[in-house]
Amino acid sequence: GQQVMQIPQYQHVQEGEDFTTYCNSSTTLSNIQWYKQRPGGHPVFLIQLVKSGEVKKQKRLTFQFGEAKKNSSLHITATQTTDVGTYFCAGPAGGTSYGKLTFGQGTILTVHP
Amino acid sequence: DAGITQSPRYKITETGRQVTLMCHQTWSHSYMFWYRQDLGHGLRLIYYSAAADITDKGEVPDGYVVSRSKTENFPLTLESATRSQTSVYFCASSEREWNQPQHFGDGTRLSIL
Repeated sequence: GQQVMQIPQYQHVQEGEDFTTYCNSSTTLSNIQWYKQRPGGHPVFLIQLVKSGEVKKQKRLTFQFGEAKKNSSLHITATQTTDVGTYFCAGPAGGTSYGKLTFGQGTILTVHP
Repeated sequence: DAGITQSPRYKITETGRQVTLMCHQTWSHSYMFWYRQDLGHGLRLIYYSAAADITDKGEVPDGYVVSRSKTENFPLTLESATRSQTSVYFCASSEREWNQPQHFGDGTRLSIL
């Protein structure tokens, strides 16, 4: 079945450093979504990428969708303590999806002040 | 704007007991989902529902039962709880249209002793 892999699993940075997490799918995706989960919280939708090679920015966050639509990345410039949490990518599940998503395992980001 | 509400937020029970986790959404979303979240496994889909009276298994359905008699409610029942079902459970919903993001509840933290 479809697999969505994320690396790294953990990332510790000093405040002000940059951070990148990578997402790779075993199959071509029609779109990819990114979610953030704060410690003790629930996943919250950040953004969706649809087009091959698409790049979207949200303030210090830059999201990219690969040309082959099988990989994606999230880059945070100059991390802040408010960026702490787990970042998940997710792609539509194969077959009759009914809105189902396959989530990556997530990257846990800690930011040291 | 409650959106999607899960109850209880915390639950402790014993092995062999039946326990039901509730999920209620006010958006009239067609699609609803139950996930469990365990360290190192990300979000794993237990069951999903495309509409009232339409449910199907996800990745890890064993030991769980769902129903959806009304669009807004999607309860998850552990028929005979086991320690391996200790986890954080998230309910989510999304609109029927293609490529819609999922909206998550606050989660239920379930401990089975």
